[in-house]
Amino acid sequence: GQNIDQPTEMTATEGAIVQINCTYQTSGFNGLFWYQQHAGEAPTFLSYNVLDGLEEKGRFSSFLSRSKGYSYLLLKELQMKDSASYLCAVLDSNYQLIWGAGTKLIIKP
Amino acid sequence: GAVVSQHPSWVICKSGTSVKIECRSLDFQATTMFWYRQFPKQSLMLMATSNEGSKATYEQGVEKDKFLINHASLTLSTLTVTSAHPEDSSFYICSAREAGGETGELFFGEGSRLTVL
Repeated sequence: GQNIDQPTEMTATEGAIVQINCTYQTSGFNGLFWYQQHAGEAPTFLSYNVLDGLEEKGRFSSFLSRSKGYSYLLLKELQMKDSASYLCAVLDSNYQLIWGAGTKLIIKP
Repeated sequence: GAVVSQHPSWVICKSGTSVKIECRSLDFQATTMFWYRQFPKQSLMLMATSNEGSKATYEQGVEKDKFLINHASLTLSTLTVTSAHPEDSSFYICSAREAGGETGELFFGEGSRLTVL
């Protein structure tokens, strides 16, 4: 079956760095997405990786290793507004998005 | 970026009534739209995939006669919750994929919060 694993919850301190991991087993691979979702709101797009390596976008970076079925989202200089759920999703061979359950990130002052 | 508009944002209805939620792609054509449901403190759950001009594909466990999906044009899909009951109270979110888009990125609507009394 298809499976996406990410930690349920993480806690970090304001100003610090946090890495949220995602491992996947899917039928085919056409890219991996990271979305941010604040409570009660729809998800917003953060990043898309289809090739191995690190993609940096401001305070957020996303890394992909296709051979390992592994990705991480790196958040630097954490701010209180970064408290949210972070969703990892993989586009499979049928171009269907397979979603992880999300990682709730709690930022403490 | 592409914009998806969802309406209404909030709806409260009595048990037994039907509620229609609209999902529009404002500045692009979407051949495929997705409908999700999210209960409090839970992840998104895909309900169905809506393809323009054809019947929607429902996920296992989702009643197609209860959750009617119509994707009549390249910019509009509707979800109708028929004979709603309190257990249908949830956050419903749509997303759309741009026709011919390079990455397959999904653009999400703002979500519709349904409360059934």
